[in-house]
Amino acid sequence: AQSVTQLGSHVSVSEGALVLLRCNYSSSVPPYLFWYVQYPNQGLQLLLKYTSAATLVKGINGFEAEFKKSETSFHLTKPSAHMSDAAEYFCAVSWNTDKLIFGTGTRLQVFP
Amino acid sequence: DGGITQSPKYLFRKEGQNVTLSCEQNLNHDAMYWYRQDPGQGLRLIYYSQIVNDFQKGDIAEGYSVSREKKESFPLTVTSAQKNPTAFYLCASSATGAGLQYFGAGTRLSVL
Repeated sequence: AQSVTQLGSHVSVSEGALVLLRCNYSSSVPPYLFWYVQYPNQGLQLLLKYTSAATLVKGINGFEAEFKKSETSFHLTKPSAHMSDAAEYFCAVSWNTDKLIFGTGTRLQVFP
Repeated sequence: DGGITQSPKYLFRKEGQNVTLSCEQNLNHDAMYWYRQDPGQGLRLIYYSQIVNDFQKGDIAEGYSVSREKKESFPLTVTSAQKNPTAFYLCASSATGAGLQYFGAGTRLSVL
C-alpha cells in the first residue's frame, strides 16, 4: 500500500539552529509532494509543493525541501529556526492527484 | 476573500444525537474532502466528493454521512453510530486533478 512516513513525531531545536524534518514515501514512481504547517487549533496551511519541476523547492517562511527520487524522500529544511516556526508539520503525497495521503506529523519545538 | 469556511468552531454532542458540521467554499473547486484528526494519527479521510451529487467513502466512513447538493457546500453529519466522535474535523477543497488541497480552520467536536 502507498504510504508516507515522517521520522520523528517530535523535533526540538534552538532558535537559530537548522531545522530538518524528514519525509519518505513508499512508491518509486515520483508523485506530487506537499508540506503543510498547522498551528494550534487551526487548519493546514501550504508551505510548499513539488510537482515534477525543480527538485529543490522553496516555500514560505524560509522553508525549502529537496526531492530525491533515489531515496524516495522529500525532507523539509530551514537554515535558521525562529520561535514562530513552532507548529506541527505534515508531509502529504498524491499519486492520482485527487486524494492526499498524509504522514502522521512532526511537532517542532523551538527553544530560546 | 476566497476560502473555506467551517462552522461551528466548537461543537458538543450528546449521547445518541446526530450533529452536522458545515463546510462552504467560494474557490469554485470541484472536489471537497472531510478529514478527521486525532493526536498522533495525522489526518484520516472520511468522505470526498469530486462532483455535485456524488461522493465516495474514505478510509473511516463508518458512522458518518455527507451530501453534496451544491458545488459550494459539503456538510458532514456525525451520526449516533459513531461511538468515538471526539476529534478535530477538517474540510478541504481542490481543483480536480491539481492534487493541492486548501483547508478550512476546523471544527472541534466533543462529547458531553
